[in-house]
Amino acid sequence: GESVGLHLPTLSVQEGDNSIINCAYSNSASDYFIWYKQESGKGPQFIIDIRSNMDKRQGQRVTVLLNKTVKHLSLQIAATQPGDSAVYFCAERSAGGTSYGKLTFGQGTILTVHP
Amino acid sequence: DGGITQSPKYLFRKEGQNVTLSCEQNLNHDAMYWYRQDPGQGLRLIYYSQIVNDFQKGDIAEGYSVSREKKESFPLTVTSAQKNPTAFYLCASSRRSTGDVDTGELFFGEGSRLTVL
Repeated sequence: GESVGLHLPTLSVQEGDNSIINCAYSNSASDYFIWYKQESGKGPQFIIDIRSNMDKRQGQRVTVLLNKTVKHLSLQIAATQPGDSAVYFCAERSAGGTSYGKLTFGQGTILTVHP
Repeated sequence: DGGITQSPKYLFRKEGQNVTLSCEQNLNHDAMYWYRQDPGQGLRLIYYSQIVNDFQKGDIAEGYSVSREKKESFPLTVTSAQKNPTAFYLCASSRRSTGDVDTGELFFGEGSRLTVL
């Protein structure tokens, strides 16, 4: 879930396990959600997105689930690898605004994968 | 290859000095953004621009200025009025939505780390 203060949530898993990273969003009017991965000292990279008219979307080794009732978003990573170690951010876009990618980001979750 | 280039990667500034961070993109994107990232926190929007010669304040614009004279370029100036400028700065761009093609995906640069001495 989202963190409070300066301490990010952390998730430690063994290589090969499945990982689930959670995100609670605040705006019930948000219509579009994205997951980003950020490695140390680098910019965030797009992982997967989902629109509010969907509950689930699958990519390669990743699945995003959206529960609008409780305003919850999750990212599932199958067969987690050491290269998946990074900070993962969810982002939401409020409906009714522009469609130019003006997003609100969560504080992030640190994923550590142990060999 | 297409992408976003930020420079410099590391920058040190004395208190009271203005510094300008460069951001260039060759993705032909209409919209560009500047975010600030502090340790243990998410990204906060400083300024964004949807089109050349136009830009809007984000959530934490005080102490910063931008310009958008060219589609490819969106430099950020951190002025002496910014009280706590030490941070990691990220530039991003996105496509303008057209018809049914609508994406909010941002493409990020590699970031510039500013340290005030």
